[in-house]
Amino acid sequence: DAMVIQNPRYQVTQFGKPVTLSCSQTLNHNVMYWYQQKSSQAPKLLFHYYDKDFNNEADTPDNFQSRRPNTSFCFLDIRSPGLGDAAMYLCATSSPGTSYGYTFGSGTRLTVV
Amino acid sequence: SQKIEQNSEALNIQEGKTATLTCNYTNYSPAYLQWYRQDPGRGPVFLLLIRENEKEKRKERLKVTFDTTLKQSLFHITASQPADSATYLCALLGGSSSASKIIFGSGTRLSIRP
Repeated sequence: DAMVIQNPRYQVTQFGKPVTLSCSQTLNHNVMYWYQQKSSQAPKLLFHYYDKDFNNEADTPDNFQSRRPNTSFCFLDIRSPGLGDAAMYLCATSSPGTSYGYTFGSGTRLTVV
Repeated sequence: SQKIEQNSEALNIQEGKTATLTCNYTNYSPAYLQWYRQDPGRGPVFLLLIRENEKEKRKERLKVTFDTTLKQSLFHITASQPADSATYLCALLGGSSSASKIIFGSGTRLSIRP
């Protein structure tokens, strides 16, 4: 089945130690997104790629970076995780112009110790 | 600033009844409105999309209405079942962006008791 896969499901990192979360898709969608979701809150868009074009949200901290080496893969890098960065990180894809919503992965739950 | 409000944090209803969830928005002119289901510890799952020129959309036991004058969408689950228990997110999508960028509400947690 075509899908969005996030690895790992759970990630524990030390305060200040760089961490990378990964996302892959088999849908061949143009657009890939990274959202941060904290408990009982709305998913918050961090950035998205439209093909190779990177679009950063104005309020996304510089501590968060992203890479998209090809259509299928996208990475979220947190350079120096703080306790406030503990959250669920969701990757999603979409194909603009269709009547379908976003397809989300199962998320990576990040814990910072 | 743009704001999306979902009527309540939690809604608890009896199995078999119709669940009605509300999404209100301000300072926004969405081209589309979407509803997602999210189970604990999982990513959201797309349910329905309704366009600004559509009043109502149905899918099996689900019905969505969209009133651009009131700036409100209602999401109905008829003949509700315990398996429908989840958090339901409303999401708005503007039409002018080069990519389909959506903004989510914080969701309503629905519990269906047997």
